[in-house]
Amino acid sequence: DQQVKQNSPSLSVQEGRISILNCDYTNSMFDYFLWYKKYPAEGPTFLISISSIKDKNEDGRFTVFLNKSAKHLSLHIVPSQPGDSAVYFCAAIAGGTSYGKLTFGQGTILTVHP
Amino acid sequence: DTAVSQTPKYLVTQMGNDKSIKCEQNLGHDTMYWYKQDSKKFLKIMFSYNNKELIINETVPNRFSPKSPDKAHLNLHINSLELGDSAVYFCASSQPGLPRETQYFGPGTRLLVL
Repeated sequence: DQQVKQNSPSLSVQEGRISILNCDYTNSMFDYFLWYKKYPAEGPTFLISISSIKDKNEDGRFTVFLNKSAKHLSLHIVPSQPGDSAVYFCAAIAGGTSYGKLTFGQGTILTVHP
Repeated sequence: DTAVSQTPKYLVTQMGNDKSIKCEQNLGHDTMYWYKQDSKKFLKIMFSYNNKELIINETVPNRFSPKSPDKAHLNLHINSLELGDSAVYFCASSQPGLPRETQYFGPGTRLLVL
């Protein structure tokens, strides 16, 4: 039973436009959410995170939105750049869980065309 | 200088063999993890160690045995390899006090069992 789901396996966007990656979760105990980015033959790298007490967190071109009632979060990249082409993983952790027991989605492949 | 390194990067072996994957981090972190990325691309946590002590042990066959000789190293030994063990295995580390649950991943070890 996958508690974190990314239902779009891939997304293709033109350079300069907005990329929106989506993530849904089922576990109400999740209270912290993260996005990781992964290039081929490399490990995931941390991108941005959000606590459940917020509904938005922004870092440069990257913004994460959290809708707790819908159990949905999204990552917006504006403007998209070819270097953003990668696999994006959504992850979540439940409150009270110690030592980083992250639950990951299956990833969305983002391709940004020049 | 690589923060989290894994050896080997690729491992091709026969069913029934025993193999080890090594992980080292030079970030001074206290907590280390092993993840498995299966054919469906989900990243799933297998084990976590904090200061050489096992703290997360997910439902993993006991053919998998992690060993942490010191807090900078976390190795994974797999006995009697099976076809279903073919996957990419990622090591990661984190430190309490950093932005919560930011984990630093190694490049992965691609294991193929024939």
